[in-house]
Amino acid sequence: AQKVTQAQTEISVVEKEDVTLDCVYETRDTTYYLFWYKQPPSGELVFLIRRNSFDEQNEISGRYSWNFQKSTSSFNFTITASQVVDSAVYFCALSEAGNAGNMLTFGGGTRLMVKP
Amino acid sequence: DAMVIQNPRYQVTQFGKPVTLSCSQTLNHNVMYWYQQKSSQAPKLLFHYYDKDFNNEADTPDNFQSRRPNTSFCFLDIRSPGLGDAAMYLCATSSYQAFNQPQHFGDGTRLSIL
Repeated sequence: AQKVTQAQTEISVVEKEDVTLDCVYETRDTTYYLFWYKQPPSGELVFLIRRNSFDEQNEISGRYSWNFQKSTSSFNFTITASQVVDSAVYFCALSEAGNAGNMLTFGGGTRLMVKP
Repeated sequence: DAMVIQNPRYQVTQFGKPVTLSCSQTLNHNVMYWYQQKSSQAPKLLFHYYDKDFNNEADTPDNFQSRRPNTSFCFLDIRSPGLGDAAMYLCATSSYQAFNQPQHFGDGTRLSIL
């Protein structure tokens, strides 16, 4: 069965610091997809990125970057020069390929607090 | 903008009094989901619709029901809310035209039970 672990339940940083959120996953499938979602205090989950298991290239989007390493089953998320608006709960999720309904297995989430 | 809309944003009901939460979407997605999220926890899937096919998670209480009268709308009915049902309820949609598309979430309805 699939599983996603986010070992860091809470992280606190000061604005402009870099911060990395860890995500480790387990799956028996060779084809799968990994996601990150952001949940600000207002409550909605905002989709950030989708990565498939055959694409290990790192991705950068502005201050956000993602490091996917199949060898360690990790999909870590780094925020560079953090800002107060980055304060949120971040969820990593896994979807096994072709599952009926695009089902997600969520990690427990990491609460990031960025202090001014 | 195309989106997933949940109403109301906040809902207060009395213990045991039926309540309905609504979700609509303009994305024309064929899959719709309902999640329950309690404080400091990940969202927990209650059920989902693939088109009109209803799929219930094994551990979803019978107290929770859902209706999807058409592609755009989906409702969550809680027949006899208990104090333990106080939570954020999230609706999401995705397209199954291609594999493993991301789910798109509404803003959620925060349910309180008096």
